[in-house]
Amino acid sequence: AQSVTQPDIHITVSEGASLELRCNYSYGATPYLFWYVQSPGQGLQLLLKYFSGDTLVQGIKGFEAEFKRSQSSFNLRKPSVHWSDAAEYFCAVGARGGGSYIPTFGRGTSLIVHP
Amino acid sequence: DVKVTQSSRYLVKRTGEKVFLECVQDMDHENMFWYRQDPGLGLRLIYFSYDVKMKEKGDIPEGYSVSREKKERFSLILESASTNQTSMYLCASSPSLPSGHEQYFGPGTRLTVT
Repeated sequence: AQSVTQPDIHITVSEGASLELRCNYSYGATPYLFWYVQSPGQGLQLLLKYFSGDTLVQGIKGFEAEFKRSQSSFNLRKPSVHWSDAAEYFCAVGARGGGSYIPTFGRGTSLIVHP
Repeated sequence: DVKVTQSSRYLVKRTGEKVFLECVQDMDHENMFWYRQDPGLGLRLIYFSYDVKMKEKGDIPEGYSVSREKKERFSLILESASTNQTSMYLCASSPSLPSGHEQYFGPGTRLTVT
């Protein structure tokens, strides 16, 4: 069975600083990886996804993530954080089930942005 | 844009009541999902459905059932609500492969059982 670890429960950064959110996964085959963001009071929105090919994936809102097979990691990065990036971030690994990928989610990392 | 709507944003029910949470998507997606979200635990899959009248148990199905009579609608049922079912409930949908892989989420229903 697949699993995801997000080792940081909370991350605090200053506006304009760079950001890296960590994600480690466990999966027996080629993983399908996702990052979602949840703003307060909202559902989750997909930031980016990796299935194959280039290991550096670009997403929306200026985010990117890099797949490193040797480290079983899929860390999310942004060069300059904006106050509106304050939210909960979830990493997920997908497994094939039915006609879709059934993701397993990490426990989330809460991003706090200081002015 | 894909839209996933949930019948209530906030719901307060009493212990022992039967509770229905409704989810509707407007993009003709085959797959629909119900998650429960609790602080520090992330999202946990309760049930999913990949076709009308089809359902599969997720990681935490105990105390819940689901119904999918129409493609666009997926209902979560708490047969006899208990206080430990107080939580945020999120519905999601996704198209079947190879059309896409991402899930589209509704805004959530925060259920309080007293």
